[in-house]
Amino acid sequence: GAVVSQHPSWVICKSGTSVKIECRSLDFQATTMFWYRQFPKQSLMLMATSNEGSKATYEQGVEKDKFLINHASLTLSTLTVTSAHPEDSSFYICSAPQTGVGYGYTFGSGTRLTVV
Amino acid sequence: KQEVTQIPAALSVPEGENLVLNCSFTDSAIYNLQWFRQDPGKGLTSLLLIQSSQREQTSGRLNASLDKSSGRSTLYIAASQPGDSATYLCAVRPSNTGKLIFGQGTTLQVKP
Repeated sequence: GAVVSQHPSWVICKSGTSVKIECRSLDFQATTMFWYRQFPKQSLMLMATSNEGSKATYEQGVEKDKFLINHASLTLSTLTVTSAHPEDSSFYICSAPQTGVGYGYTFGSGTRLTVV
Repeated sequence: KQEVTQIPAALSVPEGENLVLNCSFTDSAIYNLQWFRQDPGKGLTSLLLIQSSQREQTSGRLNASLDKSSGRSTLYIAASQPGDSATYLCAVRPSNTGKLIFGQGTTLQVKP
């Protein structure tokens, strides 16, 4: 089945540094990927939609300059948290629609970001 | 604006019980509905996907139903096991967008 590989699974960084999270579709082409943020004991909050070859679309309230999204190829999308602060600590998950009519969505395994 | 609600927020049952998780949505104009499982600190695993034209889907001990007109879906888990303990998320895909709208989830604990 369709698999999305997400790396790293966890990362600890110092305040002010940047962190890059990668999501790769392993056995299918993902022209679109969705990036979510999840706070403890809460559901997923959609941050942005990345589209291969074009600019990402951000949800209201999400800072474009802080959360840089790049969709460089049909199999790779990246999320860079720039100048990270402790309040950016969260669980980030990517998702891609499976190919084919009526197919659902497959999710990455998530990245736990801790900013100290 | 589509809103998805899951009831109950948490559920604790003894092993072997059959149980039902509920999901409701406010706008019936959906493309499909998907049930996911999330273990602590992990990503989402797709359990069942129901197209808007379908009434139910089954996979092993899991059965999901969809009543689009009333805006409801249920996930039925038969003969629950401790390994079923997780958070179950319901998500709808509206007809006019590729974005998923998630419920808050039901956290299930199955006690041995």
